Amino acid sequence: KAGVTQTPRYLIKTRGQQVTLSCSPISGHRSVSWYQQTPGQGLQFLFEYFSETQRNKGNFPGRFSGRQFSNSRSEMNVSTLELGDSALYLCASSFDGGEAFFGQGTRLTVV
Amino acid sequence: GENVEQHPSTLSVQEGDSAVIKCTYSDSASNYFPWYKQELGKRPQLIIDIRSNVGEKKDQRIAVTLNKTAKHFSLHITETQPEDSAVYFCAARFGNEKLTFGTGTRLTIIP
Repeated sequence: KAGVTQTPRYLIKTRGQQVTLSCSPISGHRSVSWYQQTPGQGLQFLFEYFSETQRNKGNFPGRFSGRQFSNSRSEMNVSTLELGDSALYLCASSFDGGEAFFGQGTRLTVV
Repeated sequence: GENVEQHPSTLSVQEGDSAVIKCTYSDSASNYFPWYKQELGKRPQLIIDIRSNVGEKKDQRIAVTLNKTAKHFSLHITETQPEDSAVYFCAARFGNEKLTFGTGTRLTIIP
């Protein structure tokens, strides 16, 4: 069974640009959650999608958005990038609120 | 919303000794408490979890204890080995709400 796959693995963007990250969950998992990981801040929850609907939302500004497709793949978009958005973005999939399996992450650097 | 505090932030332990990491949570309704291990440059992986209907769970050298009255839970690693060196995250969740993580503990095993 394939694990959670995130693309791309690395990204370098300029301030003001926008970026889209992709997450393919484990087959059969309908829940996909996104987290921002920075040194000293741990794993900050962005949002969770379940069956194409946003089920939970964290405390990030509206520049951070996401969506989920009918095949459960999810995308996360960040508009008007800021230097502080540089981080490792992790997604995690689960069957439904059970064990969360993480992808390897996308490391975003904003310059 | 849920808030999870984790202590200590760093922990150094002699190889063969035990390590204990503690977490407290704020939402008394939380009923699922997983622990994740993240090795350098890798994705977080679940090592053990506990639900609120039990007070303790063991898996070989790893155990988790839960005190619902005090709203805290702990990770115990016995007979530590060099491969136990990593960052450990605790988390808490109620039902299908978001999984809230602690800020992590960097565990170093000294040979």
